[in-house]
Amino acid sequence: DAGVIQSPRHEVTEMGQEVTLRCKPISGHDYLFWYRQTMMRGLELLIYFNNNVPIDDSGMPEDRFSAKMPNASFSTLKIQPSEPRDSAVYFCASSVTNTGELFFGEGSRLTVL
Amino acid sequence: SQQGEEDPQALSIQEGENATMNCSYKTSINNLQWYRQNSGRGLVHLILIRSNEREKHSGRLRVTLDTSKKSSSLLITASRAADTASYFCATKVDSNYQLIWGAGTKLIIKP
Repeated sequence: DAGVIQSPRHEVTEMGQEVTLRCKPISGHDYLFWYRQTMMRGLELLIYFNNNVPIDDSGMPEDRFSAKMPNASFSTLKIQPSEPRDSAVYFCASSVTNTGELFFGEGSRLTVL
Repeated sequence: SQQGEEDPQALSIQEGENATMNCSYKTSINNLQWYRQNSGRGLVHLILIRSNEREKHSGRLRVTLDTSKKSSSLLITASRAADTASYFCATKVDSNYQLIWGAGTKLIIKP
């Protein structure tokens, strides 16, 4: 298995630019999660999907953040416009229904200047 | 929100020694999970223990769960340099699919 695949691994952008992070979950996993990790706040759940449907987006910090899952093998997290405080590592994770065990990608490190 | 609290925040031991990390939580849980994160990498699932289990083993890992004290411990025996990483506990709360994460313990194994 290839595992959860995220791209890009690193992104450096300027304030105000649009950022799109991508994720390919493990085939057959019904749940997909987007997390953000910072030193100050630790690991925060932003949004999760079940069978491509957003279930809980209460962790999305602002309207500048949006996430989509057009099909079972692809999801995006978009930030528009980006701000320096969005700098963090963004993780995508997937899970088989009800097991609770998450499989994480390697993360996308975002730096907004 | 974070309900898990790991203790200690950082731990440095000699290779070959045992490492013990603790996790406390606040509400009733369905299960508790431990993950490892190497520097610059994603989190890797280590072990899951259900609320009706008290102890679980996986290789050099031993996890205990005390639901009366709302705490868990992760023991790594005969530590190796490759065990250097951050270790996180995460709880699955009943009727909620979300995992609630602790802040992690940073473990350094000195050769």
